[in-house]
Amino acid sequence: GAVVSQHPSRVICKSGTSVKIECRSLDFQATTMFWYRQFPKKSLMLMATSNEGSKATYEQGVEKDKFLINHASLTLSTLTVTSAHPEDSSFYICSARDHGVSGRGYNEQFFGPGTRLTVL
Amino acid sequence: AQKITQTQPGMFVQEKEAVTLDCTYDTSDPSYGLFWYKQPSSGEMIFLIYQGSYDQQNATEGRYSLNFQKARKSANLVISASQLGDSAMYFCAMRERRDDKIIFGKGTRLHILP
Repeated sequence: GAVVSQHPSRVICKSGTSVKIECRSLDFQATTMFWYRQFPKKSLMLMATSNEGSKATYEQGVEKDKFLINHASLTLSTLTVTSAHPEDSSFYICSARDHGVSGRGYNEQFFGPGTRLTVL
Repeated sequence: AQKITQTQPGMFVQEKEAVTLDCTYDTSDPSYGLFWYKQPSSGEMIFLIYQGSYDQQNATEGRYSLNFQKARKSANLVISASQLGDSAMYFCAMRERRDDKIIFGKGTRLHILP
């Protein structure tokens, strides 16, 4: 299957700083990428959908000024957590959609390995 | 309103036994897809199986099968001959055609006992 990478895999930062997380599709062009957040022992909550070259669509309750998403190319989307606070500590997972893949629907979306953010 | 419901927060199963993980869903979109993912302690999301709303037959992938009961809006995952490595969190998920995003249930933590 296709590969999605995330960098960094783990980050610890001080409260008030901004953190950028990268999500890359390594062997396909991802016109759509999704960002999820997962608290310990909880489910994945969709934060936003980003389409290459346009503004991200945020889910209800997600602060767009807090979580900046940029999808500047077909292989890269970034999530920037601005002025991070301890409550932003979480596991962030990206997912990339390959609209170029034909065939079964399940083959169209792939998940990255996740980024664990800890804000002190 | 919750669109994906997983009623079993945790399950303990003896190794080599079959296990069924429950999932019900709610949608008015006639076109949708149902997914099951496994998440081990490492955190990666591992795709297991997919069922399209128009698929006539239940999906199967090796030891995994999806018991799709469309009228009941049920999409249970069946794991045959469970193994110790099956211990993980399992998520049922759905993607509706109209908004094209995957939404997850709360998950079931499966423990396989030796």
